[in-house]
Amino acid sequence: QAVVTQEPSLTVSPGGTVTLTCGSSTGSVTSGHYPYWFQQKPGQAPRTLIYDTNNKHSWTPARFSGSLLGGKAALTLSGAQPEDEADYYCILYSGGAGVFGGGTKVTVL
Amino acid sequence: QVQMQQSGPGLVKPSETLSLICGVSGYSITSGYHWGWIRQPPGKGLEWIGSINHVGSASYNPSLKSRVTISLDTSKNEYSLRLNSVTAADTAMYYCVASLGYWGQGTLVTVSS
Repeated sequence: QAVVTQEPSLTVSPGGTVTLTCGSSTGSVTSGHYPYWFQQKPGQAPRTLIYDTNNKHSWTPARFSGSLLGGKAALTLSGAQPEDEADYYCILYSGGAGVFGGGTKVTVL
Repeated sequence: QVQMQQSGPGLVKPSETLSLICGVSGYSITSGYHWGWIRQPPGKGLEWIGSINHVGSASYNPSLKSRVTISLDTSKNEYSLRLNSVTAADTAMYYCVASLGYWGQGTLVTVSS
């Protein structure tokens, strides 16, 4: 089973841009891994932001975008808001099974 | 809009079976989507447990596969999770999720005697 890696923590200034990444121990991440991105705030259930690499749900703020970058899946937050402070998780699929990354704690400061 | 409503006990004894149900409204579970379960131990990250598609084909986390069953109840438009031989390590918030987009409210399950 692959190990999925994320940055443990990142800090972004209000209005700034930050990119979170999601890598796999088995090699480059591709669209065939169907990367998803989730946001979780304390005491709340996760919320799905991005599915299948770069697709947004109706509730996904426009400032979030997904992509593939340098062999990893990436989530970019452009124009960070205080309410974006949260934990962010990615998941990758391989052989029909999903593996979550350890999560990235994003601080807006 | 798909809505997910979880039910099941919050306390399970060691060695017994954890059983949770996810009721679905706003969408027929036989129409499509993958119907999954995810858990999160207190203070830790998310773990994918498994999922089942609309025709009943299931996939499981290899580390849990020997103990997990996910099944559909099409007559009630709901699906279930069974995890047997539980230990304290199975204590977690359990979420049902439709195609990783629509989340249930979560059920905190504690394994304790």
